[in-house]
Amino acid sequence: EAQLEESGGGLVQPGGSLRLSCAVSGFTFSSLYMTWVRQAPGKGLEWVANINQDGTDKTYVDSVRGRFTVSRDNTKNSLYLQMNSLRVEDTAVYYCAGGAGWLADKWGQGILVSVSS
Amino acid sequence: DIVMTQSPDSLAVSLGERATINCKSSQTLFSTSTYRNYFAWYQQRPGQPPKLIVSWASTRESGVPDRFSGSGSGTDFTLTISSLQAEDVAVYYCQQYHSSPVTFGGGTKVQIK
Repeated sequence: EAQLEESGGGLVQPGGSLRLSCAVSGFTFSSLYMTWVRQAPGKGLEWVANINQDGTDKTYVDSVRGRFTVSRDNTKNSLYLQMNSLRVEDTAVYYCAGGAGWLADKWGQGILVSVSS
Repeated sequence: DIVMTQSPDSLAVSLGERATINCKSSQTLFSTSTYRNYFAWYQQRPGQPPKLIVSWASTRESGVPDRFSGSGSGTDFTLTISSLQAEDVAVYYCQQYHSSPVTFGGGTKVQIK
């Protein structure tokens, strides 16, 4: 059974940076198309970024493009999200998810990122 | 971007009764090259991550009870819970994965009446 575990969240001031990690086990990580999805407190789901299996194709939602960078290390079975120039509106639980293409059937428990002064 | 509009925002159904959730997309999600609808339903129970329950508009995921069924094509889709159980209390989200960016509906909260 696939397990995904996010880490690296926490409290950061506006304008600051944070790097999220997602460790994947129980599945062949290199076969998974990976996604970051976020959920602001009490709100719905928002897709943030995707990366294909070999890391050569990345896409972002407009609100984070140029500030966030998604990457992966298939030798470490890990997914990353480098978040720079953080804004208050980036406050959310961030989920890593994986599957075949843009359809995510494996999800982590999520990690909270709070952006506040 | 494709806009996904769910209705209703919430509904309360008695145990054993039917619950119906609708989702409408601003563009067709049907591909004429694959003959598939790039549409999914997720269930999010309180305090839990989302769980994929239906993909390709009507394919129930492994382990999902058969009281859940997805239907529809093109721009109009429906999730039906034929006999609501206590463990079905959750927020349900529709999602399109036809075009980038992937987008979700606003969610429908299902409660017990």
